[in-house]
Amino acid sequence: GAVVSQHPSWVICKSGTSVKIECRSLDFQATTMFWYRQFPKQSLMLMATSNEGSKATYEQGVEKDKFLINHASLTLSTLTVTSAHPEDSSFYICSGKLAGVRFEQFFGPGTRLTVL
Amino acid sequence: AQRVTQPEKLLSVFKGAPVELKCNYSYSGSPELFWYVQYSRQRLQLLLRHISRESIKGFTADLNKGETSFHLKKPFAQEEDSAMYYCALNAGGTSYGKLTFGQGTILTVHP
Repeated sequence: GAVVSQHPSWVICKSGTSVKIECRSLDFQATTMFWYRQFPKQSLMLMATSNEGSKATYEQGVEKDKFLINHASLTLSTLTVTSAHPEDSSFYICSGKLAGVRFEQFFGPGTRLTVL
Repeated sequence: AQRVTQPEKLLSVFKGAPVELKCNYSYSGSPELFWYVQYSRQRLQLLLRHISRESIKGFTADLNKGETSFHLKKPFAQEEDSAMYYCALNAGGTSYGKLTFGQGTILTVHP
């Protein structure tokens, strides 16, 4: 099956700093990538939809200036958490979707962000 | 707007017992529904989708539009089925490809 990787798998940063998380599709071209946030033992909340070469579409309530998403190529999307605060601590998961395939998404392993 | 509800946060059964994980949805159109599973320390993976009407690892799920449900069932649970299960809905249209997840159910199968 299609594989999606994320880097780093976990990161600890100080409050006020910015953190970049990479999401890569290793063996397929993901024209669309999704970014989710997951709190402990809770559901995945979609943050934004990222299409290659265009601006990301953010879900209601997600600050686009705080969570910068770039999808510069068909195999890479990045999420930058700017001026991170402790409340941004969470598990961030990305997924990639093949072009022309309606529904199947392939999920990355997630990135654990802890902001001190 | 669409919504997915999984009423049980935790579900415990003994090995060999039947298991049913409940999922109800709210959506005015014709939804596509899925079950995803997340085993301990592993990534989320697709278990099954309603349009395929398939059985994966002994699990089945039938879409009941009258009751707006998509419950996941297995007649004889195994210990390796212990995991977090998410029901998800794809609304299509302008929400093409986007998934709305339920809150998840942690299934524990005891030996």
